[in-house]
Amino acid sequence: GENVEQHPSTLSVQEGDSAVIKCTYSDSASNYFPWYKQELGKGPQLIIDIRSNVGEKKDQRIAVTLNKTAKHFSLHITETQPEDSAVYFCAASIDNYGQNFVFGPGTRLSVLP
Amino acid sequence: NAGVTQTPKFQVLKTGQSMTLQCAQDMNHEYMSWYRQDPGMGLRLIHYSVGAGITDQGEVPNGYNVSRSTTEDFPLRLLSAAPSQTSVYFCASSYQASGGFQYEQYFGPGTRLTVT
Repeated sequence: GENVEQHPSTLSVQEGDSAVIKCTYSDSASNYFPWYKQELGKGPQLIIDIRSNVGEKKDQRIAVTLNKTAKHFSLHITETQPEDSAVYFCAASIDNYGQNFVFGPGTRLSVLP
Repeated sequence: NAGVTQTPKFQVLKTGQSMTLQCAQDMNHEYMSWYRQDPGMGLRLIHYSVGAGITDQGEVPNGYNVSRSTTEDFPLRLLSAAPSQTSVYFCASSYQASGGFQYEQYFGPGTRLTVT
């Protein structure tokens, strides 16, 4: 079955710096890769996603890149702000509909003012 | 829209007790699912449903039952609670994916369950 690894487990950056979180997956059949942000005491919230036929996607300060050959994808946050502090999860789809996922273990991002 | 709601927020059970975690959504989503979240392990899929009357197992279904009698509700039943079921449980919903297009999944606020 699918296995998703995520690094680093914790990340501290200064406000205004960039943050990068990396994930690898094992099943080449996975074709949809969402990223979720989870704030303390809340459920995960989708922040960006990418499909396997796309190499990069941007949404303001957030971008995701995908390398299908190497089976890895990364989240890039530029100009970090204190409100970016949260736990971030990557996920890979495990069905043809892209609705069931295997999640990475999470990265706790702290943005220091 | 209230979105996805879960009750209770917190629950403590003794080993062997049973209970039902409630999940409801008011967005007319066909797809609903249950995940558990354990420290350092991300979220793991327990059960999911693609519409009323249809359910299927996820990655970790043992010890849990589900049913989907309406579009809005998707309760998760613990038949005989065990300490290994201590976790935070999240319910999620979305429109059913079609034509290779995925819709955003909305998560509820979670239920923190402790089994002693």
